[in-house]
Amino acid sequence: QSVLTQPPSVSAASGQKVTISCSGSSSNIGNDYVSWYQQVPGTAPKLLIYDNSKRPSGIPERFSGSRSGSSATLDISGLQAGDEADYYCETWDTSLNFYVFGSGTKVTVL
Amino acid sequence: QVQLVQSGAEVKKPGASVKLSCKTSGFTFTMSYLHWVRQAPGQGLEYMGMANPINGDTNYAQKFYGRVRMTTDTSTSTVYMELRSLTSKDTAVYFCAREPAVGAKYFDFWGQGALVTVSS
Repeated sequence: QSVLTQPPSVSAASGQKVTISCSGSSSNIGNDYVSWYQQVPGTAPKLLIYDNSKRPSGIPERFSGSRSGSSATLDISGLQAGDEADYYCETWDTSLNFYVFGSGTKVTVL
Repeated sequence: QVQLVQSGAEVKKPGASVKLSCKTSGFTFTMSYLHWVRQAPGQGLEYMGMANPINGDTNYAQKFYGRVRMTTDTSTSTVYMELRSLTSKDTAVYFCAREPAVGAKYFDFWGQGALVTVSS
């Protein structure tokens, strides 16, 4: 069972926006930066967001992240067919003393 | 360009050990931490631990204490992960990943993954 809780799935029509939540506690999200990864099945994860809201070069502005208290959010606007994938949040847990991943959210474009 | 190239798929019997490699290039090996993450079939990502190439220090997730060993070879810019006493629950794809700088706390480049199958 993951320390960080995400909804199993979210969906929206092409061009719309989806929001993925990541709920943790004061020992993880409430105490450190959050990163987000996109994983197309059968491939390695890809970094989308780091330090809560920063995008690596090459990641479109359609992807945005934020953190408030012990929760974090990933927004994907202008949804495209190519955005269908699994999305994971990640952060450091000060109680466990290692990194933790969210349970993962499958995004479906209707 | 930054690359992490992992060794190939392995099939092991229960009780055996597996040692995976992850050869890196395109960056200064000793200025990054190298991590291992695994993913069981149909499951999410599970963090295993990390190795510091400068001094060989490691930090493992508690679940793997006593069963995992991560090492680095600075002469070939390669990180290794050995997992012992394998069971069917260790069947997974194993990824190496780079933390771009000490304290960055995110993984910007990943290996392609290596499937380890544990079966009698």
